[in-house]
Amino acid sequence: DVLMTQSPLSLPVTLGQPASISCRSSQSLVHSDGNTYLNWFQQRPGQSPRRLIYKVSNRDSGVPDRFSGSGSGTDFTLKISRVEAEDVGVYYCMQATHWPWTFGQGTKVEIK
Amino acid sequence: EVQLVESGGDLVQPGGSLRLSCAASGFTFSSYSMHWVRQAPGKGLVWVSFINSDGSSTIYADSVKGRYTISRDNAKNTLYLQMNSLRAEDTAVYYCARDGYGTYDYWGQGTLVTVSS
Repeated sequence: DVLMTQSPLSLPVTLGQPASISCRSSQSLVHSDGNTYLNWFQQRPGQSPRRLIYKVSNRDSGVPDRFSGSGSGTDFTLKISRVEAEDVGVYYCMQATHWPWTFGQGTKVEIK
Repeated sequence: EVQLVESGGDLVQPGGSLRLSCAASGFTFSSYSMHWVRQAPGKGLVWVSFINSDGSSTIYADSVKGRYTISRDNAKNTLYLQMNSLRAEDTAVYYCARDGYGTYDYWGQGTLVTVSS
């Protein structure tokens, strides 16, 4: 299985400051079709996961533009340009290039 | 509006069985593959099972293979997960999620399965 490793696992952030989460995969996530199926999900406390980003950098409709995804191959990053109170929760990267689809351990974002 | 609504979660004894359902609406259910994903209390997300759009192909995580069966009824717009020989480590919130090709584009609210004596 492809191992997805996130860091940090805990991220205390000051409101209005930037935040960055790293996600590394144990194999390249470039699919034979040329796409890279790396997703980011947000899970707010008590809620189900919500997709933020798909195929590395495509933001879902309704997702604030302070969220951005980047990366390639085995190294990916989710950035929040200015953290707001509603961004508190756990963020997961997930690869869907190789079966089985696998998630990172999650990064807990909290306000300092 | 796409909606996925899970049901069927309950407290069950080890070795018992349970069937989860996921009612889909707001999209053409028969055109999409579907997944079950679970989350143990305080833990991360783990993929459990996949079924393609017409139900002819299914895949399972090793941890549930031989115990769980995924199925669907496209006439009823419903996804199922039959869980047998349940163990304490199967305790989790179970989510159904729509396969958006290389992604989960919609999730249900989840249903809690607790395996305990």
